[in-house]
Amino acid sequence: GENVEQHPSTLSVQEGDSAVIKCTYSDSASNYFPWYKQELGKGPQLIIDIRSNVGEKKDQRIAVTLNKTAKHFSLHITETQPEDSAVYFCAASGGSYIPTFGRGTSLIVHP
Amino acid sequence: DSGVTQTPKHLITATGQRVTLRCSPRSGDLSVYWYQQSLDQGLQFLIQYYNGEERAKGNILERFSAQQFPDLHSELNLSSLELGDSALYFCASSPPAGELFFGEGSRLTVL
Repeated sequence: GENVEQHPSTLSVQEGDSAVIKCTYSDSASNYFPWYKQELGKGPQLIIDIRSNVGEKKDQRIAVTLNKTAKHFSLHITETQPEDSAVYFCAASGGSYIPTFGRGTSLIVHP
Repeated sequence: DSGVTQTPKHLITATGQRVTLRCSPRSGDLSVYWYQQSLDQGLQFLIQYYNGEERAKGNILERFSAQQFPDLHSELNLSSLELGDSALYFCASSPPAGELFFGEGSRLTVL
């Protein structure tokens, strides 16, 4: 089955800095790559996703890049704010649309 | 608010006991997914139902079972509970080939 590795497990940045979270996947059949944000006491919430026919997608301060050849994808957050502090999960899925999640990155943005 | 409702929010029980977690999906979503989130394992897919039928199975123990009822709500039954079953259990629902919408989870503590 699919295996998703996510790094780093913890990321601490100063407000205004950029943050990058990287993931790799194992199944070349995977074609959908969502990113979820989980705030304390809440369930994960989709923040951005990318499909395999696209190399990059942007939504305001958040961007995701995908390299299908290398089987890795990354989340980029620019101009970080304290409210960006949360746990971020990458995921990968194929035809079943059931995402396999990475282990999460705890992002801490210091004011 | 994702529109997915899970009850109870917190549950404390003893080893060997049995509990039932309940999930009401978003209006119109036919698919329901159950995930287990523990500190060392991240988000692990347990099982998916689609319109009352089991669609896919993940790392679900034989002591666990689930079902989806005609009104589309779902229940996850956990029996012969062990200390290691302590975790957050999330339910998610989705439209066909769409993103997952997660509930706020049920936190199970087994003493």
